[in-house]
Amino acid sequence: SQTIHQWPATLVQPVGSPLSLECTVEGTSNPNLYWYRQAAGRGLQLLFYSVGIGQISSEVPQNLSASRPQDRQFILSSKKLLLSDSGFYLCAWSESGWVSGNTIYFGEGSWLTVV
Amino acid sequence: GDSVTQMEGPVTLSEEAFLTINCTYTATGYPSLFWYVQYPGEGLQLLLKATKADDKGSNKGFEATYRKETTSFHLEKGSVQVSDSAVYFCALRRGRDDKIIFGKGTRLHILP
Repeated sequence: SQTIHQWPATLVQPVGSPLSLECTVEGTSNPNLYWYRQAAGRGLQLLFYSVGIGQISSEVPQNLSASRPQDRQFILSSKKLLLSDSGFYLCAWSESGWVSGNTIYFGEGSWLTVV
Repeated sequence: GDSVTQMEGPVTLSEEAFLTINCTYTATGYPSLFWYVQYPGEGLQLLLKATKADDKGSNKGFEATYRKETTSFHLEKGSVQVSDSAVYFCALRRGRDDKIIFGKGTRLHILP
């Protein structure tokens, strides 16, 4: 069966420090991968999605970046965190290709507090 | 562009009440539609889905019907329980690029 792992689960970082959140998927190949952010009191915002190694689509201009160095690894990064980067970050995956009704599966999330 | 609009919460109901959470969408083509649920402190879980017009998704007593004519996918449950308290997200998946778009979520609070 497929599993998705995301870490760290929680972190507190000072303003201006770097960020690296990692996500890996097991049990499938060539998945679509996603990073979402859920800010306090707000909905889910799609940040990045990837349909293959080295293929990253950015949805929102900001100081975050994403990379996909391996087929089932997706990394969210920042060189200098802002207070506004605080939130709940969710990694997700789905089967690739147009298969009607492909479900998206989420990791457990990472709570980021920038202080 | 494509989007999902949900009714704003929070929604507060008494146990055994009837629930409706409205969801409408804007999309080109024929997206798949989903409802996800997020319990306190947890990630998102798929609740139900529908892949074409007039399909009805159902799970745990919840139902939603894909209405292309009204571009809607309203979530309903006949008798809610305290354990249904959570945040509910409506979402669509575009066929042409696999992009998945969520609504802002509706917080549901059920009183015993």
